[in-house]
Amino acid sequence: GAGVSQTPSNKVTEKGKYVELRCDPISGHTALYWYRQSLGQGPEFLIYFQGTGAADDSGLPNDRFFAVRPEGSVSTLKIQRTERGDSAVYLCASSLQAGGTADTQYFGPGTRLTVL
Amino acid sequence: DAKTTQPNSMESNEEEPVHLPCNHSTISGTDYIHWYRQLPSQGPEYVIHGLTSNVNNRMASLAIAEDRKSSTLILHRATLRDAAVYYCILRDVDSGYALNFGKGTSLLVTP
Repeated sequence: GAGVSQTPSNKVTEKGKYVELRCDPISGHTALYWYRQSLGQGPEFLIYFQGTGAADDSGLPNDRFFAVRPEGSVSTLKIQRTERGDSAVYLCASSLQAGGTADTQYFGPGTRLTVL
Repeated sequence: DAKTTQPNSMESNEEEPVHLPCNHSTISGTDYIHWYRQLPSQGPEYVIHGLTSNVNNRMASLAIAEDRKSSTLILHRATLRDAAVYYCILRDVDSGYALNFGKGTSLLVTP
């Protein structure tokens, strides 16, 4: 079946611009996660949704970052006034349910964001 | 969160077994040990997880020390497609949602 998809695969923007990154989770998965991966580092947690609500947004670095999941399926990560330090690969993952021993996360291929 | 320690890199010959170690001396009783791997230019993928007993699946085996302070991911016969960064992650069964990846072990497989 279809896995997690992310669009665009690459995004180049200029400093100060606004960007939106989209994630389509696996159908039926109620939990959705966003991570950010800088070069040479492991992914870092940003935010997690259970259904439509953000259950944990403790990983968002500042208030320029915001994410929504209005219908409990597709999610959009929004970054305002982008900075060069925001350049990274943004990864989305989904799972059947959050937490518990059966919570295996399935990752998309990521969106590579470059801020010039 | 309890931390894990892994070697930065390891090398293996193709078709040989690979043992990837992970130390987690501060593991708590409710922490599961998860392994994910990330192939070049791809998102991470789940490999295996366990609590106390050794676990086997089609991808790998997980050997957990009796005191649970360390574990080893075993690839029985490495192939070139197994070249990836392998992450050992502790996850609390009651409260752990996010995966805390760390830097992982970069596995190089040579023909």
